[in-house]
Amino acid sequence: GNSVTQMEGPVTLSEEAFLTINCTYTATGYPSLFWYVQYPGEGLQLLLKATKADDKGSNKGFEATYRKETTSFHLEKGSVQVSDSAVYFCALSSGNQFYFGTGTSLTVIP
Amino acid sequence: DAGVTQSPTHLIKTRGQQVTLRCSPKSGHDTVSWYQQALGQGPQFIFQYYEEEERQRGNFPDRFSGHQFPNYSSELNVNALLLGDSALYLCASSPTWGGKADTQYFGPGTRLTVL
Repeated sequence: GNSVTQMEGPVTLSEEAFLTINCTYTATGYPSLFWYVQYPGEGLQLLLKATKADDKGSNKGFEATYRKETTSFHLEKGSVQVSDSAVYFCALSSGNQFYFGTGTSLTVIP
Repeated sequence: DAGVTQSPTHLIKTRGQQVTLRCSPKSGHDTVSWYQQALGQGPQFIFQYYEEEERQRGNFPDRFSGHQFPNYSSELNVNALLLGDSALYLCASSPTWGGKADTQYFGPGTRLTVL
């Protein structure tokens, strides 16, 4: 079956620190992979996506590379800001269905 | 261009009641999906509508039903509410290309509380 596993939180970082949030997946076929972000009290916003192996998605300084050999899609950012504090969800789409991880809460302190 | 909109924002019901949630997709999107997000969890797929029909369904009981209208808007109905149905209900829309739904864009959600 299809599933997404992402690293447990919460994660607390100081401003300008390096961020990595791990995500691995299990899927049949060739899924597309996504990172969504959810700010407090809001719905999910698409952060970035990759549709095939070795693709790199990037947006707002965040990056993730679709690694088929390790079935991973880890999210990275070189220098986090306080405004990046949110919950981050890794997701995959297979066919017409999306599967989400449980989310990783990130807090960035000044 | 308005994004995905949902109504109402919040709703309080009692056990056994029925509820209807509404969603208007982003302009140009013909596919609507519904998700249930319990507190501290990721969204769980309920079902997806395309061309006014349920195209795919997740692991939810028949108490959860839906509808899509010719203008692509959608409703989610939940009958015989249980305490465990308390959650944030998210609607997502996407265009369909070549029979496959593309990237999903989410609305702000409806917070349902069942007492």
